Amino acid sequence: DAKTTQPNSMESNEEEPVHLPCNHSTISGTDYIHWYRQLPSQGPEYVIHGLTSNVNNRMASLAIAEDRKSSTLILHRATLRDAAVYYCILNPPTRQGAQKLVFGQGTRLTINP
Amino acid sequence: KAGVTQTPRYLIKTRGQQVTLSCSPISGHRSVSWYQQTPGQGLQFLFEYFSETQRNKGNFPGRFSGRQFSNSRSEMNVSTLELGDSALYLCASSRGQGAVYFYFGPGTRLTVT
Repeated sequence: DAKTTQPNSMESNEEEPVHLPCNHSTISGTDYIHWYRQLPSQGPEYVIHGLTSNVNNRMASLAIAEDRKSSTLILHRATLRDAAVYYCILNPPTRQGAQKLVFGQGTRLTINP
Repeated sequence: KAGVTQTPRYLIKTRGQQVTLSCSPISGHRSVSWYQQTPGQGLQFLFEYFSETQRNKGNFPGRFSGRQFSNSRSEMNVSTLELGDSALYLCASSRGQGAVYFYFGPGTRLTVT
């Protein structure tokens, strides 16, 4: 399983953008980049995923480097409810569909009011 | 659509006992995965079931087992409990075939004394 590297923790202020980095230098050409987050006392929650192009959804944006060796999850306007542990995960596609996730330690994001 | 449900939410057992945890996936989802989360090891994949068949298994001892029923509900069993089995056990569901991401339940907090 390809490995990702994330900062252990980050801090930001409410209503400001947050950029969460992830390095994945050993990514293979077919690995998707997934982001999940885990709010306190909850199970992980899917945030966004992408392959090569930048992606946007209602929760966040995902910016993928041209060489795909790094990516950045962008929360455009952080709220207190965004305080969570964010996981960057590489997931190879399979015809059988997604089967497992290999979680690293993630980044603990603190949002200051 | 109802989310992933797990029962019980909290459980206290004694060393040497066995325990069964239950997971009901989102309606229409045929894949159920189980994860163990501890402060020391983080989130670790246990196994994944699709249409009553185990498709993928993590690196856990044989004391950890699971099964899936024809209605896609899944149970995991841990026999001969050890103190180190104290953890949050998370269940995740997905469509299975062609699925890209997972929906997680709130987890069962198991404490072994």
